[in-house]
Order: sequence, then C-alpha cells, then structure tokens
Amino acid sequence: DVKVTQSSRYLVKRTGEKVFLECVQDMDHENMFWYRQDPGLGLRLIYFSYDVKMKEKGDIPEGYSVSREKKERFSLILESASTNQTSMYLCASSLDFRVRGNEKLFFGSGTQLSVL
Amino acid sequence: AQSVTQPDIHITVSEGASLELRCNYSYGATPYLFWYVQSPGQGLQLLLKYFSGDTLVQGIKGFEAEFKRSQSSFNLRKPSVHWSDAAEYFCAVGGATNKLIFGTGTLLAVQP
Repeated sequence: DVKVTQSSRYLVKRTGEKVFLECVQDMDHENMFWYRQDPGLGLRLIYFSYDVKMKEKGDIPEGYSVSREKKERFSLILESASTNQTSMYLCASSLDFRVRGNEKLFFGSGTQLSVL
Repeated sequence: AQSVTQPDIHITVSEGASLELRCNYSYGATPYLFWYVQSPGQGLQLLLKYFSGDTLVQGIKGFEAEFKRSQSSFNLRKPSVHWSDAAEYFCAVGGATNKLIFGTGTLLAVQP
C-alpha cells in the first residue's frame, strides 16, 4: 500500500514562528500536494509539485512556501505563522494523471496546526 | 478556471432511503472527476472516478456517479443508505495538468 506520512499529527506554534510541515511518500510518485482543510471551506490547494524542484501555486499560496529537494519529500513552510493559518493540513501524492489509471490521490492523515 | 461547486452543505437522510449528492464543475478541457469520502477523524478515501468512456461509473460501498457533460455535473448516488455512510463527501476535478481542486464538501447525516 502507498504510504503518505506527515511528520506531526498535532502542532502548536506561536505567531511569527517559522513552521515546517513535512510529508514523505514511499511510492515514487511524481506529484505531491499540500491542502488545507477548514470547516465549510473544504480542501483548498496551497501548492503542488510535479517533479523535484518544481512547484506550482494553488489557490491560496499567500503566506506559504514549499520545498521539494527529493522526490519522496515535500515540505510546506510558513515563513511567519499567523493565527489565520490555524487549520488541518493535508499532504497527498499521486502518479502522473496523463497515464490512464493513475488518477488517484493518496492522502496522509493530516497535521492539525494551531497558531497561538 | 478550474472549480467545483457542491451546493448542499448538509444533507440528512433516513437509513434505507436513496441518496443523491450534487456536484457541478468548471473545467476548460476534458475533466477527470472524483468523489472522496472522509469519515470522522479519518483521512480521505476515493469512492470513484471518471476519466472517459461510460458516463455512469461504479465505485466502492455501493456508490455510483453519473457524468453529464451538458450539465457540467457529476452527481453521486446510492440507492439505499446505511448508517455507516454518515461522513463528509468531497467532489473534485482535475485533468492533464495534474492539479486537483476539491469542492467545499457535503456533510451527510443518516437518521435511524
């Protein structure tokens, strides 16, 4: 089974801190994604990466950056955490959708981040 | 622009009743369409997906969905709901760009 592992299940940080959320997948997937999930807003795409060192902005990239130095690891960085970034963060990975049968995201269990 | 609308925030059905969850999408090319389910405290699980071909797709747990291009819809259905189906359901659209956009979700409650 594909495994997508997020380093922390719960995280509490202070306003202004630099925060790193780590995600690792073990199936050699090209694509990796970061979403945040908020009640009533569903999952919103922050950033995604389709290859090492490649990234694209999603719908809500402001206040976030990402890093993908190795294929299996995709990091989400909050340069200066703010209270409105308190949320559930979900990492996902997939193979290239252009190959038939690959169209599926595998999700990690999420990191609940609280910024105080 | 790529977007998904789930017009129903919350739906309550009786156990054994039929279910239809609505999903409308906007996408400039041939869409890939998905339904995911999230049970309380759990991660997201893929129910079914549409890529091409037969517009009625079957998924796990007895769910099906129908792609209607003329209506830009991909509604999820189940003929008889079980109490264990209570969860949040997300519709998503993607394509060859590999970017997957989700809707805001529909929370399903099942009455005994």
